[in-house]
Amino acid sequence: NAGVTQTPKFRILKIGQSMTLQCAQDMNHNYMYWYRQDPGMGLKLIYYSVGAGITDKGEVPNGYNVSRSTTEDFPLRLELAAPSQTSVYFCASSYISGGAGTGELFFGEGSRLTVL
Amino acid sequence: AQSVTQLDSHVSVSEGTPVLLRCNYSSSYSPSLFWYVQHPNKGLQLLLKYTSAATLVKGINGFEAEFKKSETSFHLTKPSAHMSDAAEYFCVVSLNTGFQKLVFGTGTRLLVSP
Repeated sequence: NAGVTQTPKFRILKIGQSMTLQCAQDMNHNYMYWYRQDPGMGLKLIYYSVGAGITDKGEVPNGYNVSRSTTEDFPLRLELAAPSQTSVYFCASSYISGGAGTGELFFGEGSRLTVL
Repeated sequence: AQSVTQLDSHVSVSEGTPVLLRCNYSSSYSPSLFWYVQHPNKGLQLLLKYTSAATLVKGINGFEAEFKKSETSFHLTKPSAHMSDAAEYFCVVSLNTGFQKLVFGTGTRLLVSP
């Protein structure tokens, strides 16, 4: 019963380094999302995907890239890490059919990233 | 534009007393609203949702929320707090009927003392 799995859970990066946050779900959900959570700010949507091969920008996409080659995986790439990207990142998935869904997102446990 | 405001950043209650977490929303049409809970170092979990059916919505762990269109509110309540309820709670509004874009409130941290 894995649900949404994120790796790594913790990472420290130096300014200018790059890395990929991995996200996998085993629920056959078509929609997947990446959010970042900053203290006192709630969650902000970075990117989302409505299915394999289709991605779109969210509210705060700058400095990030995504791809969705399979239904299960939705990695988030950080290029040229900056201190402003220090945050907790959450991957989520949901099932939406015919333009309507239950509204329930299933979240991973988060990846805490620090950029120094 | 749709938005959601959580009126309290922190709420402290004693175990066994009622819980009230306040949320007001702004939406140009009839919204779908949700409450999510986040326990420390965990992902978010859906507590309950309102999607234009009954205005009083019951969720998990004894929580419920009432949609009041006239007050644009969706407050979360529980009759009797338990220590395990200590967590951060997020009020969320959907931007469209497909639910693919959710707007999160800034969160309310619930503290429960013995």
